[in-house]
Amino acid sequence: KAGVTQTPRYLIKTRGQQVTLSCSPISGHRSVSWYQQTPGQGLQFLFEYFSETQRNKGNFPGRFSGRQFSNSRSEMNVSTLELGDSALYLCASSLGLSDREKLFFGSGTQLSVL
Amino acid sequence: AQRVTQPEKLLSVFKGAPVELKCNYSYSGSPELFWYVQYSRQRLQLLLRHISRESIKGFTADLNKGETSFHLKKPFAQEEDSAMYYCALSSSGTYKYIFGTGTRLKVLA
Repeated sequence: KAGVTQTPRYLIKTRGQQVTLSCSPISGHRSVSWYQQTPGQGLQFLFEYFSETQRNKGNFPGRFSGRQFSNSRSEMNVSTLELGDSALYLCASSLGLSDREKLFFGSGTQLSVL
Repeated sequence: AQRVTQPEKLLSVFKGAPVELKCNYSYSGSPELFWYVQYSRQRLQLLLRHISRESIKGFTADLNKGETSFHLKKPFAQEEDSAMYYCALSSSGTYKYIFGTGTRLKVLA
């Protein structure tokens, strides 16, 4: 069974640009959640999607957005990039039927904003 | 506000010594607690969760609702336990997991 796949693995952008990150969940998983990981802050919750609907979102500005497609693949978009957006972005998938479930994480996309 | 606190950024112990990684949480309801681990060059993965009351790789964690803690323990540390450990909380109906800032465990030979 293939794991959670995130693309691209690395991204380098400049301030003001926008970026799109992709996440393919494990087959059969309908929930995809996104986290921002930085050395000082740990993992910060961005949002969670289930069957194309956002069920919850974290405390991030509106520049951060996401969506989920009918095949459960998800994308997140960050517009007007700032230096502080440099981080590892992780996505995680699960069945999405309970909030007690095990999360399966991808390897992440390392975003560097110059 | 819901919060998970891991007070130690780094914990170094010698091989064979007991290990305790601290986790405290603040949550008004009935949370579910987890420990996730990230070994070098590997993905973040679930180590154990309170609801399963399991012991994985010799690690156990007990939920203490009075002290709002979920400390991770192992009686005899092994070098392969060296990793980054994250405590996490999920709150009912939110589908949102709150992670602590993590503790790096180094087991010295």
